[in-house]
Amino acid sequence: SQELEQSPQSLIVQEGKNLTINCTSSKTLYGLYWYKQKYGEGLIFLMMLQKGGEEKSHEKITAKLDEKKQQSSLHITASQPSHAGIYLCGADGSGGSYIPTFGRGTSLIVHP
Amino acid sequence: DGGITQSPKYLFRKEGQNVTLSCEQNLNHDAMYWYRQDPGQGLRLIYYSQIVNDFQKGDIAEGYSVSREKKESFPLTVTSAQKNPTAFYLCASSPLGPDTQYFGPGTRLTVL
Repeated sequence: SQELEQSPQSLIVQEGKNLTINCTSSKTLYGLYWYKQKYGEGLIFLMMLQKGGEEKSHEKITAKLDEKKQQSSLHITASQPSHAGIYLCGADGSGGSYIPTFGRGTSLIVHP
Repeated sequence: DGGITQSPKYLFRKEGQNVTLSCEQNLNHDAMYWYRQDPGQGLRLIYYSQIVNDFQKGDIAEGYSVSREKKESFPLTVTSAQKNPTAFYLCASSPLGPDTQYFGPGTRLTVL
C-alpha cells in the first residue's frame, strides 16, 4: 500500500519567517492533495497537484510536485499566526484504487 | 449553502454503549468516507461507500458499522466492541474517482 511520510512532524517559527513542509511517497503520486486543519476542526482543502513539476499557489502558500512525482513540498512565505494548524498531505490510491491515503500531518505554530 | 455536516460536535458516552455519529452532505457526491484521527496518527480510514446500499471496510473497521440508505447520509455506529473508541471522527465526501475530498467539521467522541 502507498505510504506518505511528512516532515517535519512539528514546526515552531517566528512570525514573518518562511518554512517548508515535505511529503514523500513510497510510490508514484497520481494526485497529491494538501489540506490544512485547525485544531479540533475538519480539514480544509488547499491545493491539488497532478503533473510532475507542477506548482500552485494560494495567497502565501505554494505547493510543488517534483518531476518524479514522489515528493511534494509546501512552502509558506512570511508566515503569520493565521497559518498555524496541522498540514496534511493526501494522495489518490495507487493501482486503480481511488481511496486516498494521508500523511500523519505537520503541526505548525507561529509565534507573533 | 452546499457542504457536509456532522453532528454532534462533542459526544460523551458510557463504556459499553453503542453510539451513532451523523454525517450528511448536499454536494451530490457519490462517495462518502469515515476517518478516525488520533494524536500523531494522521487519518485512518474506517469505512467508505461509493454508492447507495454499498460500503467497504477500511483499515480499521473492527468495532464500527455503517449504513448508506440515502446518497446524502452515511451514519457511523461505534459499537461496544470497539476497544478504544475515544477519538476525533471525520466524515468526508467526494465525486467518484480521483478527486478532492470535502470534510465535515468532525465529532469528538469521549467514552467515559
